[in-house]
Amino acid sequence: QQQVKQSPQSLIVQKGGISIINCAYENTAFDYFPWYQQFPGKGPALLIAIRPDVSEKKEGRFTISFNKSAKQFSLHIMDSQPGDSATYFCAASVRGSGGSNYKLTFGKGTLLTVNP
Amino acid sequence: GAGVSQSPSNKVTEKGKDVELRCDPISGHTALYWYRQSLGQGLEFLIYFQGNSAPDKSGLPSDRFSAERTGGSVSTLTIQRTQQEDSAVYLCASTPQVAKNIQYFGAGTRLSVL
Repeated sequence: QQQVKQSPQSLIVQKGGISIINCAYENTAFDYFPWYQQFPGKGPALLIAIRPDVSEKKEGRFTISFNKSAKQFSLHIMDSQPGDSATYFCAASVRGSGGSNYKLTFGKGTLLTVNP
Repeated sequence: GAGVSQSPSNKVTEKGKDVELRCDPISGHTALYWYRQSLGQGLEFLIYFQGNSAPDKSGLPSDRFSAERTGGSVSTLTIQRTQQEDSAVYLCASTPQVAKNIQYFGAGTRLSVL
């Protein structure tokens, strides 16, 4: 059972355009929603994250929109640049016992290509 | 400072052999996670360590997989009697005490089982 569904699998955007990646989750107990960026040959790196008590979070060109009732969240990359070309993963976690286990359930990833 | 270090970066083994993958977390980080990244399956949680607490092994796919963390630092993931479906990138992540929700990942070990 896939608990976090991510779309699209791949995305091609022109430089300066907006990239939008969507995720939907099933487990209403999830309380932390990060996005990770991964370049080839590297491990994922945290990009931006949100908790369900807010509907939007913006950091520079990156924005998360969160819709709790629809159990959906999305990543918007404004003014996309060729250097943004990478694989993006949405994820979700439930704070485990002891308040420290944030094991992540990941979406399957979106390969973003930004053409110059 | 240094990030999460994993070794080897690549491992090729024959079906049926045992392999050990090593993770050196960021110094001072208290929690450590192992994940597996495979084509078509994305990233899957395997195991979590926190201090002296019992590890969360709920993601280990079979009893051929085991992991230990010695002295609260270095961790080793062991796969016994490897199968071709074990081929994947095995990623380790660690988190600091002050920001338990932020996981810092290593570059992974790419395991190929022939």
